[in-house]
Amino acid sequence: GENVEQHPSTLSVQEGDSAVIKCTYSDSASNYFPWYKQELGKRPQLIIDIRSNVGEKKDQRIAVTLNKTAKHFSLHITETQPEDSAVYFCAASIPGEQGAQKLVFGQGTRLTINP
Amino acid sequence: ETGVTQTPRHLVMGMTNKKSLKCEQHLGHNAMYWYKQSAKKPLELMFVYNFKEQTENNSVPSRFSPECPNSSHLFLHLHTLQPEDSALYLCASSQEYFSYESGLASPGPYNEQFFGPGTRLTVL
Repeated sequence: GENVEQHPSTLSVQEGDSAVIKCTYSDSASNYFPWYKQELGKRPQLIIDIRSNVGEKKDQRIAVTLNKTAKHFSLHITETQPEDSAVYFCAASIPGEQGAQKLVFGQGTRLTINP
Repeated sequence: ETGVTQTPRHLVMGMTNKKSLKCEQHLGHNAMYWYKQSAKKPLELMFVYNFKEQTENNSVPSRFSPECPNSSHLFLHLHTLQPEDSALYLCASSQEYFSYESGLASPGPYNEQFFGPGTRLTVL
């Protein structure tokens, strides 16, 4: 089955600097890669996603890159702000044989932005 | 209420109790999911329901029993749980597109999974 590895587990950066979180996956059938942000005591919320037919996607200060050959994808946050502090989860989706896709999540990265 | 709701938000139960977690989605989605979130294994998929049919059971112990009476409601029935089952249980929903030609779920424009607020479960 699919296995998703996420690094680092914790990341601390100065406000205004960039943060990069990396994930690798094992199943070449994976075709959808979302990133979720979970603030303390709150539900995970999608911040950006990318499909296997695209190599890069950007949304303001957030970007995601995908290397299908190497089976890895990364989240880039530029000009970090205190409100970016949260746990970030990557995920890889594989098609289910009988219906809904399955998301396999990485272990999460606790990002702390230091003022 | 909009989005995905879950009740109760907090639950404390003994190992011999029977309880149920409820999830309701108001997004018109056709797929619903149960996840377990703990310190050891964040966001671990438990069950998947598509078009009210259970399509995945991720090797979950039988003391967890899901039920999906319609596309808007999902339950997780709990009985004789263990202390290690204490965790945050998250429900999610999404809109999936099923390709009858290939027999595999085809990615549509609405694959985002929307999560509920979770039920914090403590087993004593």
